[in-house]
Amino acid sequence: EADIYQTPRYLVIGTGKKITLECSQTMGHDKMYWYQQDPGMELHLIHYSYGVNSTEKGDLSSESTVSRIRTEHFPLTLESARPSHTSQYLCASSEKGPTGDGNQPQHFGDGTRLSIL
Amino acid sequence: KNQVEQSPQSLIILEGKNCTLQCNYTVSPFSNLRWYKQDTGRGPVSLTIMTFSENTKSNGRYTATLDADTKQSSLHITASQLSDSASYICVVSDRGSTLGRLYFGRGTQLTVWP
Repeated sequence: EADIYQTPRYLVIGTGKKITLECSQTMGHDKMYWYQQDPGMELHLIHYSYGVNSTEKGDLSSESTVSRIRTEHFPLTLESARPSHTSQYLCASSEKGPTGDGNQPQHFGDGTRLSIL
Repeated sequence: KNQVEQSPQSLIILEGKNCTLQCNYTVSPFSNLRWYKQDTGRGPVSLTIMTFSENTKSNGRYTATLDADTKQSSLHITASQLSDSASYICVVSDRGSTLGRLYFGRGTQLTVWP
């Protein structure tokens, strides 16, 4: 079992609230990722980081922001939540491989299921 | 356009039976293909990984095959158990960029009945 933790597991909150989803890993991995997953659909990469002070946007446009101040911590923030943000958010991490991300397995947290009313 | 297509979308089998899940991809240039298992309410867990030169890989009752020429992969589950009920996701990685990006299928939802 990979040591990557996400909190909260479930969050139901009203429109306009500021939200921070927490993700922490204890494996010392340099690379971390945020994915968005809707029921029956594929995972979409929304943010990634190669290490401290490195953050990049992924393939799917997202109004969320991320920060990487510490290696083990990669929080995701929504400044003003809207119903369109309702989804499952998965955090993952991986070791730095010799070539690209795909050669090293990504270890996933159990996700945060977010519902915006 | 790089894509990963999985079939069937959902499958119901009886406990103890075998089943095969399919994955077709158009990702190029190909780096590797990985099968993940995602239990309901949990994150995906890697089952197998295959590179271009490998055409079969086993992990217990799970056996994955890869035909890089036809760009097809299958995941065979032997003697299914109730705990095999999950979504199985095919993920293909390219090697055309520094990121080595991942392309995810939508998964096959497997239900094993007693």
